Amino acid sequence: KAGVTQTPRYLIKTRGQQVTLSCSPISGHRSVSWYQQTPGQGLQFLFEYFSETQRNKGNFPGRFSGRQFSNSRSEMNVSTLELGDSALYLCASSLDSRGPSYGYTFGSGTRLTVV
Amino acid sequence: GQQVMQIPQYQHVQEGEDFTTYCNSSTTLSNIQWYKQRPGGHPVFLIQLVKSGEVKKQKRLTFQFGEAKKNSSLHITATQTTDVGTYFCAGTLSNDYKLSFGAGTTVTVRA
Repeated sequence: KAGVTQTPRYLIKTRGQQVTLSCSPISGHRSVSWYQQTPGQGLQFLFEYFSETQRNKGNFPGRFSGRQFSNSRSEMNVSTLELGDSALYLCASSLDSRGPSYGYTFGSGTRLTVV
Repeated sequence: GQQVMQIPQYQHVQEGEDFTTYCNSSTTLSNIQWYKQRPGGHPVFLIQLVKSGEVKKQKRLTFQFGEAKKNSSLHITATQTTDVGTYFCAGTLSNDYKLSFGAGTTVTVRA
């Protein structure tokens, strides 16, 4: 079966711009989580969606937002980009309706560089 | 808020030796998961532990969940070059939808 697909793989943006990243989970998976990975901060939780509802949100500013569609595909948006937003953004999908009690399957990530 | 601490941050191992990475939480966890991320790759799920004191093995890897469900360890025996990568533990509280990751232990192997 197809894995978690994230697009685009690489992105270069200028400070102040906005960006939208996409994630298609494994077929049948309804939970999608987003993480920001940087060398200094590790994997930081952004938000988790299940059946189009955001169930949990990490400690990121309001410039970071997301949504999930009825087909479970998810997008995250970052507005007014800052240099510090440069990171690998990872999406993970899971079967789980009750929380992360099953292993996550991660996509290959989107490498965002802000210049 | 919940924090999952992981030590050591780096582990340099001679091929054939054993090593252990440790994970500690400030609060009781519902479960603990372990992931491996190869250089340039993405995290890959290894295993989940749920029960207090649980021990699971995958070939040369032994995973343990503490009795109080606040700590966990991963022990690798006879390290091989294929073990290179970063190992993350990740935990969740009961009725929470957030999986919190430790900072990871990056393993390098000397042949």
